[in-house]
Amino acid sequence: TQLLEQSPQFLSIQEGENLTVYCNSSSVFSSLQWYRQEPGEGPVLLVTVVTGGEVKKLKRLTFQFGDARKDSSLHITAAQPGDTGLYLCAGIMIKAAGNKLTFGGGTRVLVKP
Amino acid sequence: GAVVSQHPSWVICKSGTSVKIECRSLDFQATTMFWYRQFPKQSLMLMATSNEGSKATYEQGVEKDKFLINHASLTLSTLTVTSAHPEDSSFYICSARDGDRSPSYNEQFFGPGTRLTVL
Repeated sequence: TQLLEQSPQFLSIQEGENLTVYCNSSSVFSSLQWYRQEPGEGPVLLVTVVTGGEVKKLKRLTFQFGDARKDSSLHITAAQPGDTGLYLCAGIMIKAAGNKLTFGGGTRVLVKP
Repeated sequence: GAVVSQHPSWVICKSGTSVKIECRSLDFQATTMFWYRQFPKQSLMLMATSNEGSKATYEQGVEKDKFLINHASLTLSTLTVTSAHPEDSSFYICSARDGDRSPSYNEQFFGPGTRLTVL
C-alpha cells in the first residue's frame, strides 16, 4: 500500500475539457509538492503547498491542500495538448527522517487535440 | 535558479562493467542530494540520500556495495553502478535540496535523468 495514493492512474481527455487529479493519504504532511514529468526528462516542480486549506493557482492549474494536510488535488481548466504528461504528487510527512519525499504513484494525463 | 544537471543523459554498457552518473547543482549549494530510479510508466523510487562529506543513507533493499554514492562537494554527487546487469537498466534521476533557499519547504529540484541500458 502506497503512503500517497494518486487517482486516477490514467486520464485521457479532449482538448478544452477539465480534469482533476487527487492525492490522498492517511498521514499528515508538512508540505506537499506537485510535479509534471515528460518522457525522458526529470520531474519539474509546479507548486508547493504548506498550509491546510491552501489554494494556489498557476494559470489554468489550481492546487488545493486539504484542511488536515492529508490530501491534495490538482485541477486543470480547459486542458491543452501541452498539458500531457505524468503528474506526480510528493510530500514530506511530519517527522519524516531526513525530510525524504514520499511520492504518489503518478497520474498519466493525455490531452488529445 | 535551482538548476540540477546530470551527466550522461544516456549510457549503454556491457554486463559486468561499471557506470558512473554525475549530478550537479549549477546555481546553488546542495548539502543533500537524492538518487531515484524509475521504471517505465512508474513513479520514482528513492534509492539513497546523499549528504556532503558523509556516507549515504540507503533505502531498504538497495545494495550499497552495488550502487556507490559519493557526495564530495556541495555541488556534486556521483552514483556508480558497479558490475551492472540487464536488470539494472532503468532511468536514474537525482535531485538536490537548496539549503539556503528561503522560505525553505525542503523542496527538491530534479535533474533531467540518465537512461542506463545494460546489454
